[in-house]
Amino acid sequence: AQSVTQLGSHVSVSEGALVLLRCNYSSSVPPYLFWYVQYPNQGLQLLLKYTTGATLVKGINGFEAEFKKSETSFHLTKPSAHMSDAAEYFCAVSHTGRRALTFGSGTRLQVQP
Amino acid sequence: SQTIHQWPATLVQPVGSPLSLECTVEGTSNPNLYWYRQAAGRGLQLLFYSVGIGQISSEVPQNLSASRPQDRQFILSSKKLLLSDSGFYLCAWSVGVTGELFFGEGSRLTVL
Repeated sequence: AQSVTQLGSHVSVSEGALVLLRCNYSSSVPPYLFWYVQYPNQGLQLLLKYTTGATLVKGINGFEAEFKKSETSFHLTKPSAHMSDAAEYFCAVSHTGRRALTFGSGTRLQVQP
Repeated sequence: SQTIHQWPATLVQPVGSPLSLECTVEGTSNPNLYWYRQAAGRGLQLLFYSVGIGQISSEVPQNLSASRPQDRQFILSSKKLLLSDSGFYLCAWSVGVTGELFFGEGSRLTVL
């Protein structure tokens, strides 16, 4: 079985500061990894994904994530937070043959002025 | 391009009343379709998924049901709503092997 753990249900940063949202997964086979963002009362939007190839993945809005197999991690980072980054972020994992993504419990990001 | 429509966006229903949420995908054929629920302060719970017309898999036993009468239509239903059915319901679709999901805008259900 696969699972996803997001450390920290709430993260608060100052505008301009580094954003780091943590995600660890467990999977018995090579995973596909995703980060989604959700703004209030909206659906989820894909930020970035890792399927194969380069382990450092760049996404929209200046976010990036690095797949580290040895650490079973896929942490999301952004060098400089913007007020518009305030939202909930979900990490998810899948693999070939799996019908649906497994999501973490989410991390709510607050950006302080 | 592909789009996904979900309605209604907001619904307030009394306990014991029926429910019907609809989802339609455009611009793709034979997608996998999914219903997820977000309860207040919680993550996403997979309720149902479908790989084809009339093929429904249930992930969690509950008083909800799903149907797929057409290739790109997915319906979530209940005969009698419970208070615990309140939440934000999300429809999604995927194609290919990675499982990448594309979500609708969601339907907020409040059961009183």
